[in-house]
Amino acid sequence: GQNIDQPTEMTATEGAIVQINCTYQTSGFNGLFWYQQHAGEAPTFLSYNVLDGLEEKGRFSSFLSRSKGYSYLLLKELQMKDSASYLCAVRRGTGGFKTIFGAGTRLFVKA
Amino acid sequence: EADIYQTPRYLVIGTGKKITLECSQTMGHDKMYWYQQDPGMELHLIHYSYGVNSTEKGDLSSESTVSRIRTEHFPLTLESARPSHTSQYLCASSESGGGGNQPQHFGDGTRLSIL
Repeated sequence: GQNIDQPTEMTATEGAIVQINCTYQTSGFNGLFWYQQHAGEAPTFLSYNVLDGLEEKGRFSSFLSRSKGYSYLLLKELQMKDSASYLCAVRRGTGGFKTIFGAGTRLFVKA
Repeated sequence: EADIYQTPRYLVIGTGKKITLECSQTMGHDKMYWYQQDPGMELHLIHYSYGVNSTEKGDLSSESTVSRIRTEHFPLTLESARPSHTSQYLCASSESGGGGNQPQHFGDGTRLSIL
């Protein structure tokens, strides 16, 4: 079946680096997204990976290994505003409709 | 910035009422989605649309219905609300093409409570 696993919660210190892992099992893999969702707000797009390797975008980087069914989101120079849930989402097949979302990892950034 | 709007943001209503949750986007996106999300849980796709006059049910069974008469508008209707419908409903849209790598843009959601 289809499944996405992420840690439920993580805590990190302002200015530090944190890595949020995501493992997935799915048929017809066709890309992995990371979204940020602040409490009570809409998810917003952070990154997309479809090929193996690292994608860097400012303080955020995302890595994908398709053979291992594994991705991580790396946040550098943490800021208090980075406290949010981070959702890993896997798209299956073509057309972009069948996207499975993980339950998200709640990140708490402390001073 | 994404321009996708949902109304109402919050709704508390009694059992048996008919409810319509509104969703509009001004980006001209062909694809639109409705998700249901309970606190601390994953988003579940309940409906999606390829474009005008095209709607499909998602992976999660839902007693709601949707329509897509105009590109920008994708309302969701519950004919007779029940307490089990209490949840957050998120609407999203995305562009077509690009090999399917287009991200989804989400509205702020509607928190629905059925008494």
